Amino acid sequence: GIQVEQSPPDLILQEGANSTLRCNFSDSVNNLQWFHQNPWGQLINLFYIPSGTKQNGRLSATTVATERYSLLYISSSQTTDSGVYFCAPRNAGKSTFGDGTTLTVKP
Amino acid sequence: NAGVTQTPKFRVLKTGQSMTLLCAQDMNHEYMYWYRQDPGMGLRLIHYSVGEGTTAKGEVPDGYNVSRLKKQNFLLGLESAAPSQTSVYFCASGPASPLHFGNGTRLTVT
Repeated sequence: GIQVEQSPPDLILQEGANSTLRCNFSDSVNNLQWFHQNPWGQLINLFYIPSGTKQNGRLSATTVATERYSLLYISSSQTTDSGVYFCAPRNAGKSTFGDGTTLTVKP
Repeated sequence: NAGVTQTPKFRVLKTGQSMTLLCAQDMNHEYMYWYRQDPGMGLRLIHYSVGEGTTAKGEVPDGYNVSRLKKQNFLLGLESAAPSQTSVYFCASGPASPLHFGNGTRLTVT
């Protein structure tokens, strides 16, 4: 199956800072999702992005499928952005999760 | 529109007991999945289904069975629970993409 590597594993920011999270994957994929797992454990879909760039408010994502990576950008971070961010590339009908990036935003 | 609903939300089992987790979706999705999440890790695929009456093994299928008798339901069974199955279980459904997740079932096996 696909191997997924996310970096960095942990990230601590001051409120207002920007950050970039990276997701590398080992094989070609049909599509890719980014999720935010909030402190209550819920998985919130952020982006469905098989290729190209999408933006939603302070968040944006870019997937370069030919080079097998995706980036999640968080600008002007807020304390509510804290949690774990997962990427999940999809191939052959199955999504494989990385181990996530744990983001802590301090006030 | 409830989306993906998991039942129960919490459960404590003793080693050797059996139980069934229910996942129901009201979006007419073909694909359904069961994942488990252990502390500090991402989600790992247990079993999945690409349509009513079909099931397939994922990355960590041992100790679990599944059934998809109706399109809207996907059941995950533990025949003889073990402490290693203590985890949070997530169900998801989708068309090809994106996936929609339930809120999880926290299972503790003592």
